[in-house]
Amino acid sequence: EAGVVQSPRYKIIEKKQPVAFWCNPISGHNTLYWYLQNLGQGPELLIRYENEEAVDDSQLPKDRFSAERLKGVDSTLKIQPAELGDSAVYLCASSLGQPNTGELFFGEGSRLTVL
Amino acid sequence: KNQVEQSPQSLIILEGKNCTLQCNYTVSPFSNLRWYKQDTGRGPVSLTIMTFSENTKSNGRYTATLDADTKQSSLHITASQLSDSASYICVVSLNNAGNMLTFGGGTRLMVKP
Repeated sequence: EAGVVQSPRYKIIEKKQPVAFWCNPISGHNTLYWYLQNLGQGPELLIRYENEEAVDDSQLPKDRFSAERLKGVDSTLKIQPAELGDSAVYLCASSLGQPNTGELFFGEGSRLTVL
Repeated sequence: KNQVEQSPQSLIILEGKNCTLQCNYTVSPFSNLRWYKQDTGRGPVSLTIMTFSENTKSNGRYTATLDADTKQSSLHITASQLSDSASYICVVSLNNAGNMLTFGGGTRLMVKP
């Protein structure tokens, strides 16, 4: 069975340009997460979806970041415009059930470099 | 201040040696504690999940312990291999309305031949 699939794996853009990341969770997983991970640090939650509803987006910088999960399956995370400080790895994860009980499965991440 | 603290931040050991990584947490109410391994350039992969009532759990050469009274956990790696070189992340899950997961900053382990 395929795991969580993310694309692109790597993206290099100039500041002020837009960028989008795509995530396909494990089939049947109702909960989907987007995390930001800076070098040498643990992941930080950006947004959590239960099915197609964003149930926790309190840490998402809404002035430049947006996300959607149409039909409760695939999800996209967009940054517009990107800033230098957005350089990081963007991890997508999925789980079955509630976050505090269901095991999280992570994708390989999308590494963003903003020049 | 991060409510899940890991130590040491980084560690270098020789192949074949044992090591122990620490995780202290202050978050509550506690639901479970997880250890993840993250290879460089990859996503985290689950090693163990322990609930409040579990004191220890093993996964091959990895053994996690939990003391819910002192809010401490450790991950012991036995007979280390070069492939154990990675970051190890402790995650505490809360049993509250938000169902939060709180991540530690990780310990970067390097195993040298």
